[in-house]
Amino acid sequence: AQSVTQPDIHITVSEGASLELRCNYSYGATPYLFWYVQSPGQGLQLLLKYFSGDTLVQGIKGFEAEFKRSQSSFNLRKPSVHWSDAAEYFCAVGVGGGADGLTFGKGTHLIIQP
Amino acid sequence: DTGVSQNPRHKITKRGQNVTFRCDPISEHNRLYWYRQTLGQGPEFLTYFQNEAQLEKSRLLSDRFSAERPKGSFSTLEIQRTEQGDSAMYLCASSLGVRGNEQFFGPGTRLTVL
Repeated sequence: AQSVTQPDIHITVSEGASLELRCNYSYGATPYLFWYVQSPGQGLQLLLKYFSGDTLVQGIKGFEAEFKRSQSSFNLRKPSVHWSDAAEYFCAVGVGGGADGLTFGKGTHLIIQP
Repeated sequence: DTGVSQNPRHKITKRGQNVTFRCDPISEHNRLYWYRQTLGQGPEFLTYFQNEAQLEKSRLLSDRFSAERPKGSFSTLEIQRTEQGDSAMYLCASSLGVRGNEQFFGPGTRLTVL
């Protein structure tokens, strides 16, 4: 069965600093990988996704993620965070390419220090 | 189109009562998904529909849970004889059902069982 591990429950970053959120997955086939963000009172919003091609993918809000098959990782990065980036971030692997459902990690809570 | 909508947004009920939630997907989306999210956890897949057909149910979906999508448009999730452990956010998502396609999430229904 597929699984996703996000090792960091909380991360605190100063505004303007760089960010990296870790994600490791376990999946027997070609993984379809997604990063979603959830702000308080808001629905989950897709930041970016990967399923083939260039292993460095660009998303919305200045985020990017790098797929590393050898490490079973799909880490999310941003060069300079803004206070508005404070939220919960979820990594997910898609069953059936995501069409049959998503398996999410437990999430990483991002805190931005002024 | 205003995205995926869910009603009610909040529901408080007493243990043993039945509750029903409604999800209206994005109109052209043929796949509809239900997830459950408890505090501090990522969303967990419950079930999904292709048009009106329920194609998969997670083992998390006990016999007290039933979901329908009678005309292939909106869906309902009913929980019978609610228990305190059912307290969670219930999320609905929809997609075009193609590999790699994004799932669009609604704002969720927060259930509190007293």
